Amino acid sequence: DTEVTQTPKHLVMGMTNKKSLKCEQHMGHRAMYWYKQKAKKPPELMFVYSYEKLSINESVPSRFSPECPNSSLLNLHLHALQPEDSALYLCASSQDGIRASGGPRGNEQFFGPGTRLTVL
Amino acid sequence: EDKVVQSPLSLVVHEGDTVTLNCSYEVTNFRSLLWYKQEKKAPTFLFMLTSSGIEKKSGRLSSILDKKELFSILNITATQTGDSAVYLCAVGIIQGAQKLVFGQGTRLTINP
Repeated sequence: DTEVTQTPKHLVMGMTNKKSLKCEQHMGHRAMYWYKQKAKKPPELMFVYSYEKLSINESVPSRFSPECPNSSLLNLHLHALQPEDSALYLCASSQDGIRASGGPRGNEQFFGPGTRLTVL
Repeated sequence: EDKVVQSPLSLVVHEGDTVTLNCSYEVTNFRSLLWYKQEKKAPTFLFMLTSSGIEKKSGRLSSILDKKELFSILNITATQTGDSAVYLCAVGIIQGAQKLVFGQGTRLTINP
């Protein structure tokens, strides 16, 4: 299995709703990522989990709350979002995070198909 | 500040032409340079480069990295309409964990 899956494919929510995005991979990867992508822009990193621990939070507002229940799963909990949060949310995984020893030279990230989120 | 710059931002060519896409970077803690192709949905991985001067090839696509001059090129020969996409260059760096810094992308359009 060389795939990253994401659910749902599309999500429409109001500003008072609470929803969650899910991401799953079965490639044995130990690093997982959330990105936000607006139209005609490159992906923008939000969070990095390495060995199931939050390693990077790119100053993301607290209305986005990531969770990594185990090494195969990554969730993004959404609460009180704004219309400007509407975007394509991409999950990615890579073979390894950074180890104390310095880790491998580089690992390609594989992206899921994304969740198209619309906030009304 | 870590920076990745792609050029051109947009390119329109005819089927059968050869194109060269450019990516330059200024980052700390360089680990790798990656190329992705993005059509309607998620980016799909093309190449990862970590060493200078070693060309990577996959069919009509090839790429090379110059770590001294801090740039990479992606070549596509005998282009086809299916090559139309946004091509993203990303540099892998270490900043607590491994992360990618993306360029703005090159929008390539192949006309029949």
